[in-house]
Amino acid sequence: AQKVTQAQTEISVVEKEDVTLDCVYETRDTTYYLFWYKQPPSGELVFLIRRNSFDEQNEISGRYSWNFQKSTSSFNFTITASQVVDSAVYFCALNSGYSTLTFGKGTMLLVSP
Amino acid sequence: DAGITQSPRYKITETGRQVTLMCHQTWSHSYMFWYRQDLGHGLRLIYYSAAADITDKGEVPDGYVVSRSKTENFPLTLESATRSQTSVYFCASSHVGAETQYFGPGTRLLVL
Repeated sequence: AQKVTQAQTEISVVEKEDVTLDCVYETRDTTYYLFWYKQPPSGELVFLIRRNSFDEQNEISGRYSWNFQKSTSSFNFTITASQVVDSAVYFCALNSGYSTLTFGKGTMLLVSP
Repeated sequence: DAGITQSPRYKITETGRQVTLMCHQTWSHSYMFWYRQDLGHGLRLIYYSAAADITDKGEVPDGYVVSRSKTENFPLTLESATRSQTSVYFCASSHVGAETQYFGPGTRLLVL
């Protein structure tokens, strides 16, 4: 069985602060894929990143960075210098070869000006 | 580039009525998925399809029916709507099973 845990249900920060969203996953498969999606207040689900289990290299995209650590089964997401537009619910998801995604329950990020 | 669309975007219905939610994608993706999103539960998979005429149950399939006669369409039918099916429904598609799923804008369904 696969499982994704996002322990932080809600995080509040002030603009320009850095914030890290935690994601811990469970799977018995050696090949799997991890994802982050963003759901802004408008409601759509926006794909952010996909990582496969063989690639532990951290990734940086502008103010976003992702830290994938197989040893701790974690795939954490950091926003540097947060902005009000980053306010959203962020979902971590796992696909371990069964074609389907298992989502965490999401972390709501509120960035105040 | 229309991508993936859902209709209707909002729907109000009554208990016991049949409701069909439509999903259409223009990418010729093989896989299509239906999820529901509820507070406290996140996104849960209802049904998915690997190709036309191939469908399979997800985590919460009870009360729902799907069909896929054409690659681009994946309708979801609530045969006899119940209040517990009040939710936001998302359709998604992907080229192959392990690839990134891209989501439609969602349908907000209220069952009275």
